[in-house]
Amino acid sequence: ELKVEQNPLFLSMQEGKNYTIYCNYSTTSDRLYWYRQDPGKSLESLFVLLSNGAVKQEGRLMASLDTKARLSTLHITAAVHDLSATYFCAVGPLTGTASKLTFGTGTRLQVTL
Amino acid sequence: DTGVSQDPRHKITKRGQNVTFRCDPISEHNRLYWYRQTLGQGPEFLTYFQNEAQLEKSRLLSDRFSAERPKGSFSTLEIQRTEQGDSAMYLCASSFVGFNQPQHFGDGTRLSIL
Repeated sequence: ELKVEQNPLFLSMQEGKNYTIYCNYSTTSDRLYWYRQDPGKSLESLFVLLSNGAVKQEGRLMASLDTKARLSTLHITAAVHDLSATYFCAVGPLTGTASKLTFGTGTRLQVTL
Repeated sequence: DTGVSQDPRHKITKRGQNVTFRCDPISEHNRLYWYRQTLGQGPEFLTYFQNEAQLEKSRLLSDRFSAERPKGSFSTLEIQRTEQGDSAMYLCASSFVGFNQPQHFGDGTRLSIL
C-alpha cells in the first residue's frame, strides 16, 4: 500500500527566509502533485511533476522530484506572509492514467513578520 | 471560468439519517473524483468516474456509501444511515483524462453528524 509522508507537519518561518518541505513516498511512482489549501478553502493545484529530475518553479516556490529516492521537495525562497497555507503532496499510481491520488498529511506553513 | 461546484456547502444531520451531496465538475472534464478529508489530514480517495462509468472504489467506501454519475456530467454521493465517523469534508474533483492533468477541486461539503 502506498504511503506518503510529509516533513515537517508544521513550519513557522519568518518573512524573507528560505525553507524546504519534504515529501517521501513508499512505492515506485513518477507522478507527483503539489497542492495548496487555505483554511476553509479547497485545494489549489501548484505543480505536476512527471519524471525523475523534474523541476518546476512558480514565483517563490520550486518543486522537484527524485523518483529513485522516492522524494519530492517544495522549496520556498524569501517567504512572504501570503504563502501561509497548508501544502499537500500527492502521488499518483505508476501505471495507467491519473486516477486515485494518495495524499500526504500536509505541511502547515505559517509565515510571520 | 466556472470551477467545480459542490452543494450543499455544509450539512448537519442526525445519526442514522441519509444524506446526498451533489458535485458539478468543470464541464469539459470527463473524470470526476470523490475524496474525504478529516481535520488535520490529507484527502483520502473514495471513488472516481470516467464519464458515467465508476472505475475504482476505495475500500473506505462501505456499503452505506454510493456514488453515481448518471449522464457523465454531475455526480451524487449518498451516505445511508450516517454514523459519527462519517463527519468530514467531502471533496469533489474533476480532470481531463491523462496523468499530466491535475485534479481541480471544489470547495467541499462539510458533513456534521449530531
